[in-house]
Amino acid sequence: EPEVTQTPSHQVTQMGQEVILRCVPISNHLYFYWYRQILGQKVEFLVSFYNNEISEKSEIFDDQFSVERPDGSNFTLKIRSTKLEDSAMYFCASSALAGGPRTQYFGPGTRLTVL
Amino acid sequence: GDSVTQMEGPVTLSEEAFLTINCTYTATGYPSLFWYVQYPGEGLQLLLKATKADDKGSNKGFEATYRKETTSFHLEKGSVQVSDSAVYFCALRSDDKIIFGKGTRLHILP
Repeated sequence: EPEVTQTPSHQVTQMGQEVILRCVPISNHLYFYWYRQILGQKVEFLVSFYNNEISEKSEIFDDQFSVERPDGSNFTLKIRSTKLEDSAMYFCASSALAGGPRTQYFGPGTRLTVL
Repeated sequence: GDSVTQMEGPVTLSEEAFLTINCTYTATGYPSLFWYVQYPGEGLQLLLKATKADDKGSNKGFEATYRKETTSFHLEKGSVQVSDSAVYFCALRSDDKIIFGKGTRLHILP
């Protein structure tokens, strides 16, 4: 069964450094998303992406964040200058349909630790 | 804005017990509703979904019914197993994003 994959599974970085989190969505999917889950808190929406553009973003997704689909398979989340409060689990998701329930399938997550 | 409220955990049950995890939502219109599960060390997996009022989603013995009148989507299972130990998230789709509840950790004792 096709699945969303994410790399790395765990990333440790120093405050102020740039990080890039990588995702490979399910191959025929057209809509891509990033969510994050700070330890012990709820999963929060960050951004949605379709047709090489951001469709929607939350207030969390400020100028330090960017997303890109650099080729036909990868979808990346970049944090330009990490802060301690960026430590979280980051989930990528993808979905296929343009309408209806548009089920989102999630990857296993990347745990980001900012020191 | 749209939101999801689910019962606080952790919930601890013995194997073969009956499970209910309560979930209510606030939303404009009639959003699609979901239960996701997160097993230890793994990502979020879709457990079941319902897209309109009175729909019942079911999977792996779990069920949830979309109740418009009570704005609820409670998760139930008749006989839980140790392998059901996980965190369960109730969620709704709002525009093109998923809004999650805080999650309920379930421990099943053998």
